[in-house]
Order: sequence, then structure tokens, then C-alpha cells
Amino acid sequence: RKEVEQDPGPFNVPEGATVAFNCTYSNSASQSFFWYRQDCRKEPKLLMSVYSSGNEDGRFTAQLNRASQYISLLIRDSKLSDSATYLCVVRGNGGFKTIFGAGTRLFVKA
Amino acid sequence: DTAVSQTPKYLVTQMGNDKSIKCEQNLGHDTMYWYKQDSKKFLKIMFSYNNKELIINETVPNRFSPKSPDKAHLNLHINSLELGDSAVYFCASSQPPWTAPYEQYFGPGTRLTVT
Repeated sequence: RKEVEQDPGPFNVPEGATVAFNCTYSNSASQSFFWYRQDCRKEPKLLMSVYSSGNEDGRFTAQLNRASQYISLLIRDSKLSDSATYLCVVRGNGGFKTIFGAGTRLFVKA
Repeated sequence: DTAVSQTPKYLVTQMGNDKSIKCEQNLGHDTMYWYKQDSKKFLKIMFSYNNKELIINETVPNRFSPKSPDKAHLNLHINSLELGDSAVYFCASSQPPWTAPYEQYFGPGTRLTVT
């Protein structure tokens, strides 16, 4: 089993749609969780950290369920500019070891 | 100002050669990393350094030797390059994990092609 698993994608959605990404992790001792975004041929950039209480940043909402070892990202009112690969990221081992999921590709179409 | 910079951006070389990639960050971070992103786009950590000391070596072949001359630099030297080394290599930096926030900032990547 992979340490971090994501929906395989790709997701093709129209502008304005709501899309949800799921991620599971295998190590129950994992300490912190993030969603990153990576555009084609670019470096990954932090989208948002994920907190146990859930957190929201504009159109983006992240949830963490430690009991189920599950992380989610919800994007509301999708924009063309949201087209990218979304990476689920888990940190453990004192925080120095960072594990990326394989990513889920999102295409938002007009 | 570029926060995390890498040189070169592109590197094309032949099997068996030795090459280096340089990384510098001007964010004042103590922790730096090297990642490899292969052709399937899977991003995998190679090394973590904190305050110039190696913390994590993720079973990377010893042909890869990172060096941190100071906290702002983490260079990667690769000996005897193999075809399988072809990938994009990303450098990143962050505050130490016990200091919030510790999001990682990535450099633009070095695209290495071994022929």
C-alpha cells in the first residue's frame, strides 16, 4: 500500500462546478498535512495546510479525519485557472520526512 | 527576489558523467530538501538537511552526494550518471518542523536528461 494515495483522476469539470479530491495516508503517526498545487512544468506551491478542525480559504475547503486517516479538498465555483495537479502531502518522522501523493489532475473547461 | 533558486535549469549529459546542481535560498530557513520528480510526475523526497546536518536520506544511491556549505545552500552532486537519473530535481526549504509555519518553498527545478 502506498504511503499516500489520491484519486487517480483526471477530473474534467465545467467552470462553476464543485469538485472534491480525496486522499488517504497509511502512517497513523503522521503529524501534518497539506495540499499543494503544481502547474505544468512548474514547481509545487502550497495551496493550504489542513487542520483537524477543517479550514477554509475562499473557494477551497480542506478537511482532515485522523481516525480514518483521510484528507479532502473541496473546490467550489471552479475557475479555468484552477486547472492544475493537486498534491496531497503528509509529513512525519519529526516533520523532516515529506511524502507526496501521486497527484490528481484537474481540468476546468469553459 | 527569487526565494529558492537552482542552477542550472536544464542539464543534458551522457551516461557515466558527473554533474552538480546548486540550490540557494534567501528565506532564512534552517531546513532544506532535495526531491526527484520522475517521468510519471511522482515527487519523492531524497534528502532533508537541517542547519547543515543531514537528517533524512531516503535510500538514495550513494552516487548522489548532497553538500550544505551553509544554511542557505544545499548542492547535489551526482556521480556516474545513469539513464534512470533523468528527472526533474527540486530543491526546497522551510522552517524546521517544530517552528510554525513550516510550509516548504520550492525552487523552479532542474530538468536533468541523461543520454
